[in-house]
Amino acid sequence: AQKVTQAQTEISVVEKEDVTLDCVYETRDTTYYLFWYKQPPSGELVFLIRRNSFDEQNEISGRYSWNFQKSTSSFNFTITASQVVDSAVYFCAWTGTASKLTFGTGTRLQVTL
Amino acid sequence: GAGVSQTPSNKVTEKGKYVELRCDPISGHTALYWYRQSLGQGPEFLIYFQGTGAADDSGLPNDRFFAVRPEGSVSTLKIQRTERGDSAVYLCASGEGRNTGELFFGEGSRLTVL
Repeated sequence: AQKVTQAQTEISVVEKEDVTLDCVYETRDTTYYLFWYKQPPSGELVFLIRRNSFDEQNEISGRYSWNFQKSTSSFNFTITASQVVDSAVYFCAWTGTASKLTFGTGTRLQVTL
Repeated sequence: GAGVSQTPSNKVTEKGKYVELRCDPISGHTALYWYRQSLGQGPEFLIYFQGTGAADDSGLPNDRFFAVRPEGSVSTLKIQRTERGDSAVYLCASGEGRNTGELFFGEGSRLTVL
């Protein structure tokens, strides 16, 4: 069965520090998609990124970057120069071709001044 | 607004009662999902609609849970004979077409069963 593991339950950093959120997945599928979602205190999950299993190219979007490595089944998320507004729970998720997402347990990021 | 709307935002009920939770998706989105999120956990899939039909209901925990989407837009999640273990935040999400995971979530309905 598919599984997504986010071993870091909670991370605290001081503003302007870089922080990496880890995500490890398990699957036997050859075609799949990986995601990161952000859940701020208001509760609604916000889509950040989707990668498909055939595209291991790393991606950068502003202060956010993602490192996808099939060899280690990891899809890590780095925030550069973190800001207080980045404080939230971040979820990694997986889906095959069935559309439904399997989420990890989330990593709570606390950014303080 | 133009986002996914869920009502009620909070619902407190007694064990054994019937509950309905409503989701109004983004206009034009044909895919609609229900997820359940317990404290400290990630969302767990319940059911997926494509249009009016339930394309995948494999996540519904038992036959006390049922969901409908009669006109392909608004959906209602129905829970009969509620139990304390049903307490959670119920999240609705919508997406375009045969979605591959880029979902727009509502803020959820927090259900508390006393």
